[in-house]
Amino acid sequence: DSGVTQTPKHLITATGQRVTLRCSPRSGDLSVYWYQQSLDQGLQFLIQYYNGEERAKGNILERFSAQQFPDLHSELNLSSLELGDSALYFCASSPGLAGFTGELFFGEGSRLTVL
Amino acid sequence: KNEVEQSPQNLTAQEGEFITINCSYSVGISALHWLQQHPGGGIVSLFMLSSGKKKHGRLIATINIQEKHSSLHITASHPRDSAVYICAVSLNNDMRFGAGTRLTVKP
Repeated sequence: DSGVTQTPKHLITATGQRVTLRCSPRSGDLSVYWYQQSLDQGLQFLIQYYNGEERAKGNILERFSAQQFPDLHSELNLSSLELGDSALYFCASSPGLAGFTGELFFGEGSRLTVL
Repeated sequence: KNEVEQSPQNLTAQEGEFITINCSYSVGISALHWLQQHPGGGIVSLFMLSSGKKKHGRLIATINIQEKHSSLHITASHPRDSAVYICAVSLNNDMRFGAGTRLTVKP
């Protein structure tokens, strides 16, 4: 158990809809990262938050947004969903800002299916 | 060409064999990660390297910064090592992933 909790584990929705994925980091970790894993693109880094502020942005679509709350949990919002958004979405946390050069602790992922 | 290339894509071994998975990258990096993804989908970070070599149990990871190459070795492989192993590199405020190596260890 990594200590990182993601909900929901599975989600099925329709095109055009909006969903919110939630991540609770390990106790004490200030950085949260979101990743997308699809069959055709593999793993991709989406966005990083550190102590409530956006710190790094990867291949995140404009239809997607995220935030990190004062209690350090994070939410990834996906809107105007398309079939191609079907993927596993992972959250990871790390203790400090320099998570890209430190150990990452991954959640179990949220599997999104868009029909 | 992908910035992170892994080989082989698929690997089947007999229990007890020594296994090597390779990762080459074409960009300047601040660190390299080896990740393990089990059939259930969960991801575990095995190693983070910026130089040299690290060992954890039967797993050894090495990196050669000059050659932009890393290897993950598994000694005395076991069926429970069956998983997808993913190499990832950290750039400035970004991270890039290899396509993964699917390892199957047969008893």
